[in-house]
Formats: sequence, C-alpha cells, structure tokens
Amino acid sequence: GAVVSQHPSRVICKSGTSVKIECRSLDFQATTMFWYRQFPKKSLMLMATSNEGSKATYEQGVEKDKFLINHASLTLSTLTVTSAHPEDSSFYICSARLTDSSNQPQHFGDGTRLSIL
Amino acid sequence: AQSVTQLDSHVSVSEGTPVLLRCNYSSSYSPSLFWYVQHPNKGLQLLLKYTSAATLVKGINGFEAEFKKSETSFHLTKPSAHMSDAAEYFCVVSDGNYGQNFVFGPGTRLSVLP
Repeated sequence: GAVVSQHPSRVICKSGTSVKIECRSLDFQATTMFWYRQFPKKSLMLMATSNEGSKATYEQGVEKDKFLINHASLTLSTLTVTSAHPEDSSFYICSARLTDSSNQPQHFGDGTRLSIL
Repeated sequence: AQSVTQLDSHVSVSEGTPVLLRCNYSSSYSPSLFWYVQHPNKGLQLLLKYTSAATLVKGINGFEAEFKKSETSFHLTKPSAHMSDAAEYFCVVSDGNYGQNFVFGPGTRLSVLP
C-alpha cells in the first residue's frame, strides 16, 4: 500500500517551455503532498507543501510564480515549471502522507528528471 | 530547531559483512525518525521508522535501527551486506514542533564490494 506515482519520469525540452509534473497517490487519499528538488549528489530540498483545496506553502527562496502547484483533488498534485531555463534542470520528487500527523512517513514518487536545453 | 547529521558521506563494505550507517539528530520534542533508501534516478523508499514505541526498530531487507535518546542517535545496521544494498541512504527527523515537514540528513552513499 501507500503507492505514489509520478509522471513523467524524464523530460527534455527547450528553454522557455513550461513543463507539468503530476504526482498521484494511487491507493490512498493525501490531503498534503510535498514537492522536493534534488541536486546531484545532494539531499532533498523541500520546495513547497501542497494542500488539497488551498494554496501551496512555499519554502523561502522558492519562486511561487515560477513553480506553480495545484492540488485539486485528494489524489493528485501537479507542479508546473513555467518558462523553464537551464538552471531549472534538476531531479524533482513528490511525496504524500496518509495523515497529517508528523509521526507518519512520507511516501515518495520515483522522481522526474528535468533537462532544459 | 531540528537537524540531522550523517557522519559519513560514503561507506564502503564487502559483500557479506555488516553495515553501519550513522545518524545523529537534534530535536526539541519527541521526534519521529525514519531511514529511507534511494537508488540511482529513483525516489525514496522507506526502510523503517521510529515513532516512540520500541527503541529497536526492524525494517525491510534485513535492516534495523536503534533509537538511543541519551546519544541522540538512530544508527542503521544490517548484519550482512548484499550487492543490491548499494544506494544512497537518508536519515530523516520529524516532530510536531516543525509542523508536518521532514528534515533530511545529507545522505550516506553505501558501496558494496564483491
């Protein structure tokens, strides 16, 4: 149980393109999902917390107009990288939690490798 | 504030020998602690979790970890390494003082030599 699916797994596109990444909880409902960015050989950096039916909470230094998050249902959150540039190239990972309790694990998707040419 | 230290950025062991990955944390409250594994170009898989029940926690794939409050440690061990254990391992702390968020350690890369 507690499977999170992330799509696509890899995207290569030209500079200026907007890219949408989907994160789905397949067998549970998630009121909260999380979006992370991971640089090579580094740990995960939390970008934003996505709450179903409300605005996402962004971490300091993350541009909300650049990284648009929509959490329209209890099983789907999307991250749109708008007008992507080479510096946005990275590995993006989402996660979801069964409950909002801090002692519950997060379940992660397989990540999306974004490459901007 | 919470923080997590993983003392070794890289650990190398021979197949069949024990694994020890070290993790120390700081937390103002009773924390929940997790170990995750990440294989190349993949997401994170939960190995085990500690949430104030038994201090010795058994996880998947033969891994276990012991919560030691006096030492603020949560080291991950496995009696016998397998080639498939080669990956990146992250120690994570979470407590109610920090809302729902996780604080990740920097990670330890485990290499398993034949």
